[in-house]
Amino acid sequence: ILNVEQSPQSLHVQEGDSTNFTCSFPSSNFYALHWYRWETAKSPEALFVMTLNGDEKKKGRISATLNTKEGYSYLYIKGSQPEDSATYLCAFRYNNNDMRFGAGTRLTVKP
Amino acid sequence: DVKVTQSSRYLVKRTGEKVFLECVQDMDHENMFWYRQDPGLGLRLIYFSYDVKMKEKGDIPEGYSVSREKKERFSLILESASTNQTSMYLCASRGTAASEQYFGPGTRLTVT
Repeated sequence: ILNVEQSPQSLHVQEGDSTNFTCSFPSSNFYALHWYRWETAKSPEALFVMTLNGDEKKKGRISATLNTKEGYSYLYIKGSQPEDSATYLCAFRYNNNDMRFGAGTRLTVKP
Repeated sequence: DVKVTQSSRYLVKRTGEKVFLECVQDMDHENMFWYRQDPGLGLRLIYFSYDVKMKEKGDIPEGYSVSREKKERFSLILESASTNQTSMYLCASRGTAASEQYFGPGTRLTVT
């Protein structure tokens, strides 16, 4: 069974705080790791696709790291803003077609 | 701008009804997917298709079927809707092997 775990399940932070969450996945048969942001009433939006151990990706105030040997990825948000409030999903891809999603971390940023 | 559209945002159906959820993508993608999302669970794959008229079962295909007659359209069918199929349904499409997966806005289905 392929388990993809995300922690925490939910997070409440104040505007301006920096935060991070974790995605854990199997350390074998790695193909790619995807991060998505899913705002209420919108489509999940792709943030990053990571394929190599040690990858670091950045998009504005959001960045992500990848460790395929130990099976985890961190997503960081620097200086959180209310518009960052969303559910952040990670997905572990173990071959061309198969992708397993975590349950998501729901982030709420209070003004 | 890439686009995946789903026929309805909200749908209410009765137990036993046949339900069709439609998904259309305009990116000429080979691969299309249907997921459902329930509280506390990740997106779970119901079915996917990697070409016209081709389909593969995902993790939870029971109670569902699919149809892909044209490359841009992938339909999810609930032959006889049941209350445990009340959920958010998301369609997605993807092109070549390493490319990103794009999602539709979702259909929230309630079966009463």
